Amino acid sequence: QQQVKQSPQSLIVQKGGISIINCAYENTAFDYFPWYQQFPGKGPALLIAIRPDVSEKKEGRFTISFNKSAKQFSLHIMDSQPGDSATYFCAAGTGRRALTFGSGTRLQVQP
Amino acid sequence: NAGVMQNPRHLVRRRGQEARLRCSPMKGHSHVYWYRQLPEEGLKFMVYLQKENIIDESGMPKERFSAEFPKEGPSILRIQQVVRGDSAAYFCASSPPMGQGSNQPQHFGDGTRLSIL
Repeated sequence: QQQVKQSPQSLIVQKGGISIINCAYENTAFDYFPWYQQFPGKGPALLIAIRPDVSEKKEGRFTISFNKSAKQFSLHIMDSQPGDSATYFCAAGTGRRALTFGSGTRLQVQP
Repeated sequence: NAGVMQNPRHLVRRRGQEARLRCSPMKGHSHVYWYRQLPEEGLKFMVYLQKENIIDESGMPKERFSAEFPKEGPSILRIQQVVRGDSAAYFCASSPPMGQGSNQPQHFGDGTRLSIL
């Protein structure tokens, strides 16, 4: 019940294309859904986060879509760039409690 | 650098030795979380601490692992009698004290890569 399932495991997108990563959760107590970007040898960096009272949040080229009834949320990266090539993790949490992470998506943006 | 600082960045230990990993949270942050990441996997929660208190240690193995966050100084994750399976990247995150009970973003350090020979 604590799992967060993330797909796809890997993704190849052409420069300028849209990258879409999906996550699904089971625990309805989750009320905070962040996305993290991780480069090799580095720690996860917070990209964008959403709470379940909104269905969409946009920051620059990054958009989170949230479907509360389906218990799913997704990250869209518009106009994907080679510099976006990294591993992306979705996560879910409650209050100040620990985050439960998805298994990650390795994104490769080809020039 | 005002970010979360972890040291050492790399640590090599032989089986049976002790490993000590340190984490200094961002300035003004009083909540610290430790996570473990195995290669090609997501982060798994280990322990959540506030100053001088362990709030949640449900993700920490019952034996050989301990954590503290003293009133002064960094948070320490200690692994006694290390085994090969302890090889992983250990990440620390911190969050600010404001908004009691509300969601606060967790900011991560760059981790300590622990290798057990």
